[in-house]
Amino acid sequence: QVQLVQSGAEVKKPGASVKVSCKASGYTFTAYYMHWVRQAPGQGLEWMGRINPNSGGTNYAQKFQGRVTMTRDTSISTAYMELTRLTSDDTAVYYCAKNIAVPGAHWFDPWGQGTLVTVSS
Amino acid sequence: EIVLTQSPATLSLSPGERATLSCRASQSVSGYLAWYQEKPGQAPRLLIYDASNRATGIPARFSGSGSGTDFTLTISSLEPEDFAVYYCQQRSDWPLTFGGGTKVEIK
Repeated sequence: QVQLVQSGAEVKKPGASVKVSCKASGYTFTAYYMHWVRQAPGQGLEWMGRINPNSGGTNYAQKFQGRVTMTRDTSISTAYMELTRLTSDDTAVYYCAKNIAVPGAHWFDPWGQGTLVTVSS
Repeated sequence: EIVLTQSPATLSLSPGERATLSCRASQSVSGYLAWYQEKPGQAPRLLIYDASNRATGIPARFSGSGSGTDFTLTISSLEPEDFAVYYCQQRSDWPLTFGGGTKVEIK
């Protein structure tokens, strides 16, 4: 079955960077966009951007432009999301989510289990 | 960006009752709207996409309707496992955006 397994929780200091991984299995990794979504404690969902695992092309939400980098390693079916210059506002659960198998449809299914990133001095 | 406003914020119902959740967009998103269910400690799960299409494995008691700016998620008869938070999401324009969520709680 399709599965996305993310890396473990991280604690970072303000100003640092974090890199979260998302290992995919059960489908052809390069065939579907991978998205990243975050959720601050007690808050709603916020789309950060997406990567085309085939080409490596990315689209980022303007809010994160200049601070986020999404990459992938097709040899191990893994996507990465790196966020730099962290502040306490970046404390959140970060999810990777696979684009569904409908052409042009940016809906997310399934999602990874989430990675809690805590930014604290 | 397109703002999605969900109402009510909280819906208090009993098992077996019908739930009606609303999502309103700040501008037309045509039929490009999805609904997700989120339970505590779990990742969100896709329920409905393109306003009215059930995702794989989603029970028939979940249905979606609407177009343009007004959308509805209906749960025909609440099961105990349906008490959760529900989010809508649009893909009509970038950035992709989510609503603030509706919590369906046990009355």
